[in-house]
Amino acid sequence: EPEVTQTPSHQVTQMGQEVILRCVPISNHLYFYWYRQILGQKVEFLVSFYNNEISEKSEIFDDQFSVERPDGSNFTLKIRSTKLEDSAMYFCASSDTENTGELFFGEGSRLTVL
Amino acid sequence: SQKIEQNSEALNIQEGKTATLTCNYTNYSPAYLQWYRQDPGRGPVFLLLIRENEKEKRKERLKVTFDTTLKQSLFHITASQPADSATYLCADRGSTLGRLYFGRGTQLTVWP
Repeated sequence: EPEVTQTPSHQVTQMGQEVILRCVPISNHLYFYWYRQILGQKVEFLVSFYNNEISEKSEIFDDQFSVERPDGSNFTLKIRSTKLEDSAMYFCASSDTENTGELFFGEGSRLTVL
Repeated sequence: SQKIEQNSEALNIQEGKTATLTCNYTNYSPAYLQWYRQDPGRGPVFLLLIRENEKEKRKERLKVTFDTTLKQSLFHITASQPADSATYLCADRGSTLGRLYFGRGTQLTVWP
C-alpha cells in the first residue's frame, strides 16, 4: 500500500541551527502539506503546496519556515533558525484531490530543539 | 476560522461495548467532517468522511453521524476491541484546500 515516508524520524538540534525535514509523498498525489503537533496539543496546519507553489500558509508558518519540492519525489520543510518552541512532531501529508481533502499522513519527524 | 471541540479527553469502555465520541463545531457549518485515528507517536490515519447533506455514514464497525442543527458529529465504534484503543481526531477542512482544523482528540481505551 502506498505511503508517505518521512526522514529523519527524530532530530535533535541546537537553538539557532537550521533543520531540513524530508518527505516523500505518495507518487500520484498532487497536493502536499506540513502539519505539526506539539506534545499533548492539537495537530496544526502549517502549509499547503500545489503546482510548485504554496497554496496557503498558517500564521505559524513565518519567515523562518520554507518548503520546497526540489525534484519529482521529495518535499521538504526547512526551519532556518530553530527556536525552543519549534520542538514538535512534524507531519507531512499528501492527497490526490482538493475536494474532499482526505489526507494521507507520514509517521512524522520528531524535532527536539535544545 | 473554524473551531472544532472534542469535549471528552478520554473515554474508557469495556470490550464489546459501543464507543461514542463527540465532535462539535462552533462557527460555520462544514461542508464535511473527517475522522482520523492516531496512535501514540504516529501520524493520523484517515477513517471516515461525512458530508453536510449526509445524516450517517458507515464503514465496517464504524459509524459517523452529522447533525447540523446540533452542530455535532458523533463517531461510533460498535463491538469495540482493545485494538481500537487510540486517539480519535475530528477535523474540518475549513474554507480552503487541504487545511484541516483538528480537534484535540478523544483518547479511547478499550479494556478486556
